[in-house]
Amino acid sequence: GAGVSQSPSNKVTEKGKDVELRCDPISGHTALYWYRQSLGQGLEFLIYFQGNSAPDKSGLPSDRFSAERTGGSVSTLTIQRTQQEDSAVYLCASSLEAGTGELFFGEGSRLTVL
Amino acid sequence: RKEVEQDPGPFNVPEGATVAFNCTYSNSASQSFFWYRQDCRKEPKLLMSVYSSGNEDGRFTAQLNRASQYISLLIRDSKLSDSATYLCVVRKSSGDKLTFGTGTRLAVRP
Repeated sequence: GAGVSQSPSNKVTEKGKDVELRCDPISGHTALYWYRQSLGQGLEFLIYFQGNSAPDKSGLPSDRFSAERTGGSVSTLTIQRTQQEDSAVYLCASSLEAGTGELFFGEGSRLTVL
Repeated sequence: RKEVEQDPGPFNVPEGATVAFNCTYSNSASQSFFWYRQDCRKEPKLLMSVYSSGNEDGRFTAQLNRASQYISLLIRDSKLSDSATYLCVVRKSSGDKLTFGTGTRLAVRP
């Protein structure tokens, strides 16, 4: 597709379960970001992948959160033992290169933890 | 102190009004600045970059004040379609992550 694709678009899970969120960036984009946004709040940075460099994981809120990017393309964000406070929209974005300020966002994955 | 701070608003203005938003950033070494727009329940999209000399794009003007560490966005002749949340974005250096402010909500009324 032409844009950033995220799946699932909606996920409802029970507290304590693990979830995986997937992001398929725009082809050729070397930079990939994960942010999350709670209702009525701003974007909270989670993790940033840039080419072959070590990812910037400084925004991951706890060790229950992890992400990987395979082959420089698709990325998966994993949340283990989900908690209610993990409920948010998880947004993935990609950019052509590190220096550009234009991020292209996906529509997000809305996670609800019951 | 947050890295990027914005007044959350909302700013309620009539059509045709001029409205300005400010954003302050804490890291004096920050190099790149942007304004993004986010419509309700939609993903953010780049509105404009902010250059040191200031820049204009139609009804929108962005300015940077490095000495005081703030950037501004001015919208002239507001339209109903300008109603959205405006996000201030800062990058410390090329290759670094983009840090978003919490946004300023604008509501333009008929």
